[in-house]
Amino acid sequence: GAVVSQHPSRVICKSGTSVKIECRSLDFQATTMFWYRQFPKKSLMLMATSNEGSKATYEQGVEKDKFLINHASLTLSTLTVTSAHPEDSSFYICSAARDGQETQYFGPGTRLLVL
Amino acid sequence: AQSVAQPEDQVNVAEGNPLTVKCTYSVSGNPYLFWYVQYPNRGLQFLLKYITGDNLVKGSYGFEAEFNKSQTSFHLKKPSALVSDSALYFCAVRQSTDSWGKLQFGAGTQVVVTP
Repeated sequence: GAVVSQHPSRVICKSGTSVKIECRSLDFQATTMFWYRQFPKKSLMLMATSNEGSKATYEQGVEKDKFLINHASLTLSTLTVTSAHPEDSSFYICSAARDGQETQYFGPGTRLLVL
Repeated sequence: AQSVAQPEDQVNVAEGNPLTVKCTYSVSGNPYLFWYVQYPNRGLQFLLKYITGDNLVKGSYGFEAEFNKSQTSFHLKKPSALVSDSALYFCAVRQSTDSWGKLQFGAGTQVVVTP
């Protein structure tokens, strides 16, 4: 299989705090992982491409200082939403592809609510 | 630049009837095409992909899709829909030459299968 997990599945935090979301490929190694944001009943918006051992590549309009990405190993990438505000409330989804393969496998998503 | 169009926001079908979800794409060079399904508050599940070879691709849960290069389409089909097929369906495309493997998603089509 190709299983991707995310933790936590849901998080509620106060405005101004930081939240870390973990994305793990459980049964394969992934040099590259992707972070998406999804608004209700909307498509996925790619935020950044996360590369193991190097800096993430952010899409235009995504604040790199706001959304910190660390890809510390071939099976783990983290997204930290710094100084979260209510407008950051969203569904965040990660994905990973086996090295050399085309298919991205998605995590179950993390629902973030900032009060 | 690459883009994906899913012209229907919602498709309604009675259980047992054929289901078709439309997708057209625009990409430079050869496309890699994907279909994913999303259930409420969940991540995306991979259904099928076209990379090369036979234009008719068979995937999970009885779904299939046909790659039509002249019409730049990749419609998803199922001969006999089930109530459990009710979900949000996404078509996605990437350039075969994109080393990052970034996907461009369509807006999604909500499928409602009625008993």
